[in-house]
Amino acid sequence: DIQMTQSPSSLSASVGDRVTITCRASRDISNSLAWYQHVPGKAPKLLLFAAPRLASGVPSRFSGSGSATHYTLTITSLQPEDFATYYCQQYYSAPWTFGQGTKVEIK
Amino acid sequence: EVQLVQSGAEVKKPGESLKISCEASGYSFSSYWIAWVRQMPEKGLEWVGIIYPSDSDARYSPSFQGQVTISADRSINTAYLQWTSLKASDSAIYYCARRSMSYHYFDFWGHGTLVTVSS
Repeated sequence: DIQMTQSPSSLSASVGDRVTITCRASRDISNSLAWYQHVPGKAPKLLLFAAPRLASGVPSRFSGSGSATHYTLTITSLQPEDFATYYCQQYYSAPWTFGQGTKVEIK
Repeated sequence: EVQLVQSGAEVKKPGESLKISCEASGYSFSSYWIAWVRQMPEKGLEWVGIIYPSDSDARYSPSFQGQVTISADRSINTAYLQWTSLKASDSAIYYCARRSMSYHYFDFWGHGTLVTVSS
């Protein structure tokens, strides 16, 4: 199985801050990476796929980059509705696996 | 509008059986794979398995193979996840999610079904 490791596991930030979350794969996943936002009690939401591609309706303050085994999710100018847990997921090879999550909390 | 509406929370005893559901609307149910994803308490997401409703082709993560059964009923646009003998370790939130048309990421999710197994 491909292991996905996110860092940090949690962070505190203020509205307006720039936030970067990293996801590392145990082997090359050739940009087959998605990012999700999850607010407890709500359905997880797809943010990005194929590493940098924004899902429909997702604000442009979210962006993704990376290649091979190293990927990042960046939120420029954090908004109140962005406080949530973020997960990466590789879909290069089954079983499809997720990172352990990064919780973004209000400072 | 794509919607995945999941059945309500369940409280069961060890050894009991359970079938939870995910009703889809707003798209052609038969044309998209539907996956199940587990979230144990205070843990991350784990892919359980996936089904193609058109022909009920089901695939499982090796970690869940033999532990659960995924099925679908095209006539009512509903996918199911079932257990024949629950264990306390099955306690978790279970999400259904629609796989994108072309790749194995999930573009729409249900709100989750909380399953609690306790004696």
